[in-house]
Amino acid sequence: DAGVIQSPRHEVTEMGQEVTLRCKPISGHNSLFWYRQTMMRGLELLIYFNNNVPIDDSGMPEDRFSAKMPNASFSTLKIQPSEPRDSAVYFCASSFQRGASYEQYFGPGTRLTVT
Amino acid sequence: DAKTTQPNSMESNEEEPVHLPCNHSTISGTDYIHWYRQLPSQGPEYVIHGLTSNVNNRMASLAIAEDRKSSTLILHRATLRDAAVYYCILRRYSGGYQKVTFGTGTKLQVIP
Repeated sequence: DAGVIQSPRHEVTEMGQEVTLRCKPISGHNSLFWYRQTMMRGLELLIYFNNNVPIDDSGMPEDRFSAKMPNASFSTLKIQPSEPRDSAVYFCASSFQRGASYEQYFGPGTRLTVT
Repeated sequence: DAKTTQPNSMESNEEEPVHLPCNHSTISGTDYIHWYRQLPSQGPEYVIHGLTSNVNNRMASLAIAEDRKSSTLILHRATLRDAAVYYCILRRYSGGYQKVTFGTGTKLQVIP
C-alpha cells in the first residue's frame, strides 16, 4: 500500500482565498483524522471521522474550516476564506479502529502558507 | 481527558540505550499508552503501545509502571536516525470515539 496520500504537499496562497487540502486514507481503514501542527500549538486534532461520518469536530478552529468525507477513500479539508494565522502543516491520518488498541498512519502533510 | 507529562528534551550518545519517561498520573483503567515519534519534516509514526504489561517490538520496548501512572520508552541502541520528537499519548476507548492530545513531546538529540 502507498500509505496515506496527501495533496498538495505545499500550498502558498493569499489571504482571503479558498484552500482545499486532500487526503486518501489507506484502503480498508475505517477512521480518518485531520491534524494541524504549528510551533506555537503543537499537533492539534481538528476532526475525526469514523466510517465516513464526522464524530468530533470540536477541534475545528472556526466556521471558516470545513471537512468532508464523501466516501471511504477520500477526504477534504477546506478553509474559506484563508487567513495568515492558518499557516501550518496539516496532516491526515487513518487507522482501522479496534477499540483503543490501534495505530494511526500519518500522511506526509501539507505545508500551507497564507500571505 | 487524561494528560501526559514528558521532558522537553533529552540527549543520548549514539549506540547507547535511551530511556524516555512519561508521566500520566490521571490515567484511567481503559486508557492505552501509545508512543509515536516524528522525524524532521515528516508526519508522526507509530512506535509502540501497551495497556498494563511491558511490550517489545522491533523498534523499542515499553515499560509500564505497576500503578500505570508512568511509562518509559526504551530505545536499546540509539542511532542518528532515532533523533526525533517522541510523543506519549493516551487513547481511551469509549463508544468508538477517540479523543487524543499529543502534547509537546520530548525532542531526542542523538550525539555521534
